[in-house]
Amino acid sequence: EVQLVESGGGLVQPGRSLRLSCAASGFTFDDYAMHWVRQAPGKGLEWVSGISWNSGSIGYADSVKGRFTISRDNAKNSLYLQMNSLRAEDTALYYCAKSDIWGQGTMVTVSS
Amino acid sequence: QSVLTQPPSVSAAPGQKVTISCSGSSSNIGNNYVSWYQQLPGTAPKLLIYDNNKRPSGIPDRFSGSKSGTSATLGITGLQTGDEADYYCGTWDSSLSAGGVFGGGTKLTVL
Repeated sequence: EVQLVESGGGLVQPGRSLRLSCAASGFTFDDYAMHWVRQAPGKGLEWVSGISWNSGSIGYADSVKGRFTISRDNAKNSLYLQMNSLRAEDTALYYCAKSDIWGQGTMVTVSS
Repeated sequence: QSVLTQPPSVSAAPGQKVTISCSGSSSNIGNNYVSWYQQLPGTAPKLLIYDNNKRPSGIPDRFSGSKSGTSATLGITGLQTGDEADYYCGTWDSSLSAGGVFGGGTKLTVL
């Protein structure tokens, strides 16, 4: 079964850091680009960042550029998102996505 | 403000047909395939349509997609109460310079 399972979310104070992880299974992970997409409470989908199969191409939304870093470990079938200098507006459910398959998401709440 | 433009809501009676529009530009829809996602309350988005008009295995043919220029349309026939959900259009830029762009979502109500 193709599956993406996110972890690492939680409550964090503004300005602090958090690292999200996504464990992939059921498909050849290193064949695909992977993405992080977030959804603020009651809002729509916002692409956050994407990484090519070999990490050779990486992109970020303007809203997170310079603060977030995406990475992957193909040997571990895992995707990561290092989030620094977190802001209240980063509060959202963060999904790991393969474009056709999405995980269930991990909630990040930025609040003092 | 979402990059792609969708109507906030649509509604129709059970058994009827509904269409949801998605408008973009040459930098997104005009040069990329369009996907459509269904998000039931409290769940993750689920792929309904990819490459403009293809259905993944398990998606009934009541769901269809089309694209023309910088716009795309999702069609749903034989509406069921279980189709009540939010629907999102999106494109994925293979260069990753823009990554993914999405519409603001359309809430479908089956009256």
